[in-house]
Amino acid sequence: QVQLVQSGAEVKKPGSSVKVSCKASGGTFGGYFISWVRQAPGQGLEWMGGVIATIFDSATYAQNFQARVTITADESTNTAYMELSSLRSEDTAVYYCARGGELGNFEYWGQGTRVTVSS
Amino acid sequence: QSVLTQPPSASGTPGQRVTISCSGSSFNIGSNYVYWYQQLPGTAPKLLIFRNDQRPSGVPDRFSGSKSGTSASLAISGLRSEDEAAYYCAAWDDSLSGHVVFGGGTKLTVL
Repeated sequence: QVQLVQSGAEVKKPGSSVKVSCKASGGTFGGYFISWVRQAPGQGLEWMGGVIATIFDSATYAQNFQARVTITADESTNTAYMELSSLRSEDTAVYYCARGGELGNFEYWGQGTRVTVSS
Repeated sequence: QSVLTQPPSASGTPGQRVTISCSGSSFNIGSNYVYWYQQLPGTAPKLLIFRNDQRPSGVPDRFSGSKSGTSASLAISGLRSEDEAAYYCAAWDDSLSGHVVFGGGTKLTVL
C-alpha cells in the first residue's frame, strides 16, 4: 500500500520561503504525477502544480503560483518537494502532496502539512 | 470563485439517495475526465470516482459518477451517517497552458 509522508508543520514570517517534503513508501514516484494541493482554513482545494519524477523538467504549475512555487521530485529517494517563496498571510493553509496516474487523478494523498505565515 | 460550480450544501436522511452536481465548461468537464473526492473533517481528501464513473477498489458501489456535456454528478445511494463530509469535483482544464481545477466543494449533511 502506497503511503505518502509529509514533513511537519511550519511557521514562517511574511516574505520568507517554505519547503515541504513528501516521501513515498510502499511504492514509487516513477512514472506518476506528484501534485501539490493546498487548502486554506475553511476553504476548498486548490491545485498548485505537479511533476513527473522520471521526466526531467516536467513540472507544470497553476498560473496563480507560477512565479513563486517550485516543485521537484527525486526518484532515487522517492521524495517530492514543494517550495513556495515570498510568503504572505494568505498562504496560511494545509499543503497536501498527492500521487496519481494523470493530472486530476489523485489516488494517494499525504497527511498534509500546516504552514502558518505570521509576523 | 471556483472554475467548477458545486452547490455549497446538500442534505439527506439515512437510506436516501442524494445527488451533487458539478458544472464546468468546454475547457474542462466538456473535454476531460471528472474526478470526485470525499473529505472527512480534519483528514486528507480521498478519491471516490475517477475518469467520470469509475470507482477505485474499496469504494462502495453506493457511490456513482456520471458526466454529460459540461456537467457531472455524484450520486450517493443508501445514505449513511458516515457519508457526512465535503465532496469536491475536479478536472483538467485546457485553458491557460493547462491546470487542474476543483469545484468549491459541497458539504453533505446526513439529517
